[in-house]
Amino acid sequence: DAKTTQPPSMDCAEGRAANLPCNHSTISGNEYVYWYRQIHSQGPQYIIHGLKNNETNEMASLIITEDRKSSTLILPHATLRDTAVYYCIEGSKSTFGDGTTLTVKP
Amino acid sequence: DAGITQSPRHKVTETGTPVTLRCHQTENHRYMYWYRQDPGHGLRLIHYSYGVKDTDKGEVSDGYSVSRSKTEDFLLTLESATSSQTSVYFCAISESISGQYNEQFFGPGTRLTVL
Repeated sequence: DAKTTQPPSMDCAEGRAANLPCNHSTISGNEYVYWYRQIHSQGPQYIIHGLKNNETNEMASLIITEDRKSSTLILPHATLRDTAVYYCIEGSKSTFGDGTTLTVKP
Repeated sequence: DAGITQSPRHKVTETGTPVTLRCHQTENHRYMYWYRQDPGHGLRLIHYSYGVKDTDKGEVSDGYSVSRSKTEDFLLTLESATSSQTSVYFCAISESISGQYNEQFFGPGTRLTVL
């Protein structure tokens, strides 16, 4: 099954930018990249999605490489409440890997 | 928050008994999904529905069946529960499954323990 690849864990200092990478080399031309996060045992929460261009919303920014094989989610000023597991998925595949556990430290 | 509820929220049952989990939405979204999540792992798709009476299998469908008789309800049934089905089950909804739009909204989850 096509899956994205993410580092299992990352740390970030509070107030600093958190940059979470994702490889999605099997993504097809018309599929979007979606990012979600899961805090504790809650259901995942949608963050952002993009196709080719960089995207920004109130939660995060998404940088997609020109070849679309990878992307980076940026939390510009991480807070302790951003500690969570972050997942990126390819379009409609609904395949969640193990994600990246981001720990924001004081 | 999207109007998605799951019931029950917690259930303990014994091996071999049938179990039905319910997902209810008030958003009138076309697509509904059932996932399971085991400790320390991501979500795995069990089944999904793209309309009333229209369902399809996901990557871990063995031992599970689903039904959708109304837009708002999606039922997941374990015909004969096994200990390997102990997990947290999440329901999700979305407006479209196309590559153009797949934002999913998730329910609060159901924690199922099979003894």
